Amino acid sequence: AQSVTQPDIHITVSEGASLELRCNYSYGATPYLFWYVQSPGQGLQLLLKYFSGDTLVQGIKGFEAEFKRSQSSFNLRKPSVHWSDAAEYFCAVGAQAGNMLTFGGGTRLMVKP
Amino acid sequence: EAGVTQFPSHSVIEKGQTVTLRCDPISGHDNLYWYRRVMGKEIKFLLHFVKESKQDESGMPNNRFLAERTGGTYSTLKVQPAELEDSGVYFCASSQVGGRIMNTEAFFGQGTRLTVV
Repeated sequence: AQSVTQPDIHITVSEGASLELRCNYSYGATPYLFWYVQSPGQGLQLLLKYFSGDTLVQGIKGFEAEFKRSQSSFNLRKPSVHWSDAAEYFCAVGAQAGNMLTFGGGTRLMVKP
Repeated sequence: EAGVTQFPSHSVIEKGQTVTLRCDPISGHDNLYWYRRVMGKEIKFLLHFVKESKQDESGMPNNRFLAERTGGTYSTLKVQPAELEDSGVYFCASSQVGGRIMNTEAFFGQGTRLTVV
């Protein structure tokens, strides 16, 4: 069975600082990996996804993530955080594109001025 | 193009009552999923429709939950009778079937926050 772990429940960073949100997955084959963001009062929005190919994936809003098979990780990064990035972030894994997703517990990001 | 739409956005009901949640997927999306997030827990898969057929309902918690998808368009999720532990946010998502991999990402609705008191 597949599983996803997001070790950090809450993270607080200063505006302008760099950000890394951790995600570890467990899956027997090559996974399809996703990062979603949920801003207050909004639905889940896809930030980026990895299916194959280049292990460094660029997403929207200046986010990127790197797939590391040896570490079973898919960490999300942003070089400079903006106050509008305050939200909850979810890492997810799927068996194949368009299939059901298994989510991590989420990381709530707070941005201080 | 309209996104995935869920109704209502919030619902507060008493234990033992019935509640029906509705999801309108993106037009043309044959895949429709229901997920639930109970407070403090991760988002969990409930079931998956392909058109009007249930492809996978392994995540449905018990027989108090009934999902339907009339004519392969919108879907409803009925909870009858509701219990306190059913409280949470219910998300619906849709995606295309087939085509290029890059086109099969799931698009999520805003969710329905259900509170059972």
